[in-house]
Amino acid sequence: SSELTQDPAVSVALGQTVRITCQGDSLRSYYASWYQQKPGQAPVLVIYGKNNRPSGIPDRFSGSSSGNTASLTITGAQAEDEADYYCNSRDSSGNHVFGGGTKLTVL
Amino acid sequence: EVQLVESGGGVVRPGGSLRLSCAASGFTFDDYGMSWVRQAPGKGLEWVSGINWNGGSTGYADSVKGRFTISRDNAKNSLYLQMNSLRAEDTALYHCARVDSGADWDAFDIWGQGTMVTVSS
Repeated sequence: SSELTQDPAVSVALGQTVRITCQGDSLRSYYASWYQQKPGQAPVLVIYGKNNRPSGIPDRFSGSSSGNTASLTITGAQAEDEADYYCNSRDSSGNHVFGGGTKLTVL
Repeated sequence: EVQLVESGGGVVRPGGSLRLSCAASGFTFDDYGMSWVRQAPGKGLEWVSGINWNGGSTGYADSVKGRFTISRDNAKNSLYLQMNSLRAEDTALYHCARVDSGADWDAFDIWGQGTMVTVSS
């Protein structure tokens, strides 16, 4: 079983703000990274480190962390943000682990 | 253009072996760690294995430990995954990914499109 826990599904109205969370003990000492995956495509990195966006990722995507919870926030969600989102960090043995994923629906 | 291209997937019988390859281009390969990540049909992402820049450190998910071996050839800008004793539950799309790292973070910043492995009798 995954050591990072995500809600299976979240929905947001077009233009509104949504927060996707990821919980795990390792997040107390290691930042999560976040990935967006659309059907039939490879995952894309959207947030890493404290709150860093790769080139080309819109600034409506942001990340934060508190205690054992990491969050990905989309401020002003767009239709094209509808996708699966995965968090990743390290587990207790130092290996990488992904959360189970959150399916985001934009209404 | 920064690119990762996987190859070597296919259909194999339970208990069989397969060797995946990942060809890197557009960046200095030995500046980065690398990982394999898989996704079973209709399921989420699963980290499989990782290797540091010079091959001196490797890690494996419990689900593949003892059966899979990761390696790299920096002279050929290539990453490999030797998969032995394959099981039906290893059926998945296998991606290679570049790993960028900091003091307290990692990121899979470049991904290949994947190569499909099907384990079936």
